[in-house]
Amino acid sequence: ETGVTQSPTHLIKTRGQQVTLRCSSQSGHNTVSWYQQALGQGPQFIFQYYREEENGRGNFPPRFSGLQFPNYSSELNVNALELDDSALYLCASSLGHGYTFGSGTRLTVV
Amino acid sequence: SQQGEEDPQALSIQEGENATMNCSYKTSINNLQWYRQNSGRGLVHLILIRSNEREKHSGRLRVTLDTSKKSSSLLITASRAADTASYFCATPPGGGANSKLTFGKGITLSVRP
Repeated sequence: ETGVTQSPTHLIKTRGQQVTLRCSSQSGHNTVSWYQQALGQGPQFIFQYYREEENGRGNFPPRFSGLQFPNYSSELNVNALELDDSALYLCASSLGHGYTFGSGTRLTVV
Repeated sequence: SQQGEEDPQALSIQEGENATMNCSYKTSINNLQWYRQNSGRGLVHLILIRSNEREKHSGRLRVTLDTSKKSSSLLITASRAADTASYFCATPPGGGANSKLTFGKGITLSVRP
């Protein structure tokens, strides 16, 4: 169903800890976006990377940071985790119109 | 702030019936996209309609776009139990092929066998 792979699928962290989520984009897709989806809500845009440069950011604090690598895979890092960071984190890649989403990482902060 | 807002929030129909879902948006768009999400998993891209298109078909899906009313509708014909999912409309505000997507809260569709 999807060429975007996210890891891990589930994760439990303690408040104050740091977490790194990973995403392998679909082959050839040079744009990667990250979204946060709280329970019962639509996905909220965190940021986007195009050819290893951040080229758009949503309303998220600086403790949310990211990287894109030369092979277009990407990481999302969140420092100083808060309880409200508990959500499904979705990665999406694109080469043009229309995005391919991964299955997400379910992060629970306790 | 939300760009797309779907209506209704929840829809329950019998298998074989048609399901119509609506989406309204606020700013100008380059295209509008519909996605499906099964039970908290990733989103699946269903269909994209460009701002210069009025209607588009893909299998059992029919999407319309009315830019004067800033609204779109998704029609699923001859629904199946497997269509049970959440449906989202999403827009890249202001255009741009790789612009961020702004999603609504989604519509929960239940198709009863």
